[in-house]
Amino acid sequence: DVKVTQSSRYLVKRTGEKVFLECVQDMDHENMFWYRQDPGLGLRLIYFSYDVKMKEKGDIPEGYSVSREKKERFSLILESASTNQTSMYLCASSSPYHFSGVHYGYTFGSGTRLTVV
Amino acid sequence: EDQVTQSPEALRLQEGESSSLNCSYTVSGLRGLFWYRQDPGKGPEFLFTLYSAGEEKEKERLKATLTKKESFLHITAPKPEDSATYLCAVQADSVGGADGLTFGKGTHLIIQP
Repeated sequence: DVKVTQSSRYLVKRTGEKVFLECVQDMDHENMFWYRQDPGLGLRLIYFSYDVKMKEKGDIPEGYSVSREKKERFSLILESASTNQTSMYLCASSSPYHFSGVHYGYTFGSGTRLTVV
Repeated sequence: EDQVTQSPEALRLQEGESSSLNCSYTVSGLRGLFWYRQDPGKGPEFLFTLYSAGEEKEKERLKATLTKKESFLHITAPKPEDSATYLCAVQADSVGGADGLTFGKGTHLIIQP
């Protein structure tokens, strides 16, 4: 019954490497998001996308980029990994608000714990 | 800037001991307030959405309420399996295109048998 799948649970990368985190959802959701979660800082939005090939910066986009070539797939790219990007990365998807304003929340993946050494 | 503050940061209860978690928020215009549950090493799981002051939602031992400035998650007669981190998030009217949420840092709840 997995609906949002993140490709890796754990990753260890070296400083300066280019890192790809993949996320796939099977719910036909328009909106997809990448967050990072750090102790004491909570969840912070990196990027989001509301349509194929569309992307918007979140609160902390520096050092990251994203790609959404297909509706079901949203990739997070660390162009040159640094130790301060060691974190838990969470992907989420959601459907847009219905005309009645009812929203059923995000569906999150299980997360990728990335360690940059 | 939208802000969400949750308290307490951590709470330890005995099984059956009811309590409440608080979520205070400031937002330009509230489109929705969300509660999630997160177990260790997993992604958050959706619990409730609240839209307007006075609204209440219930699910098993959990009840969420909303005022103009805060939301409460009431836990009645909790069991050890209710142990988790509970996250609160708000969505503002001003966000265009997609529905980005601003999250609080969460309350880590431990229920002891």
